[in-house]
Amino acid sequence: LAKTTQPISMDSYEGQEVNITCSHNNIATNDYITWYQQFPSQGPRFIIQGYKTKVTNEVASLFIPADRKSSTLSLPRVSLSDTAVYYCLVFSYGQNFVFGPGTRLSVLP
Amino acid sequence: DTEVTQTPKHLVMGMTNKKSLKCEQHMGHRAMYWYKQKAKKPPELMFVYSYEKLSINESVPSRFSPECPNSSLLNLHLHALQPEDSALYLCASSQASGGQDGYEQYFGPGTRLTVT
Repeated sequence: LAKTTQPISMDSYEGQEVNITCSHNNIATNDYITWYQQFPSQGPRFIIQGYKTKVTNEVASLFIPADRKSSTLSLPRVSLSDTAVYYCLVFSYGQNFVFGPGTRLSVLP
Repeated sequence: DTEVTQTPKHLVMGMTNKKSLKCEQHMGHRAMYWYKQKAKKPPELMFVYSYEKLSINESVPSRFSPECPNSSLLNLHLHALQPEDSALYLCASSQASGGQDGYEQYFGPGTRLTVT
């Protein structure tokens, strides 16, 4: 399984764009990258998933460079309610999720 | 309906008790999962059921016994637990285990278990 590395914590202010980078140096050809968000005492919630280049949905964007050794989750104009833990996972066919420690994002007023 | 429900929300049990956690989904998903999460730690996979058959047991102690009565239900039977088993127990489901299109996992809110 590809191991991921993320910053342990980040602070931001309301209205700012937040970029969380995940390193996955050993990513395999068949691996996908997915991000989950977790609020305290709740289950994780899917945010976005991608394989290469850029993926965008209504809540976030995911940037993956050509070498795929890292990926960046971009949250536009964060609000206080975006305070949560964000997990980056790498997975492929036949594998199950292995959650890393995640990034604890604190959004300040 | 994209919801996974779990009951109870909270459970306090003694070390000699027997209790069960329940999980239900009506999304037609054929893979269901149990995770354990300690405070300020990431979720850890315990069991995976695929098409109602146990496919993964991550070396979980036998005091935890999973059961999948049908494709919508998942139980976790608890017996003779230890205080260190206190944690948030999360259930999740996905379309199928092992297929890239089915890898989005939907998590329930969890059961907060305290063993006294």
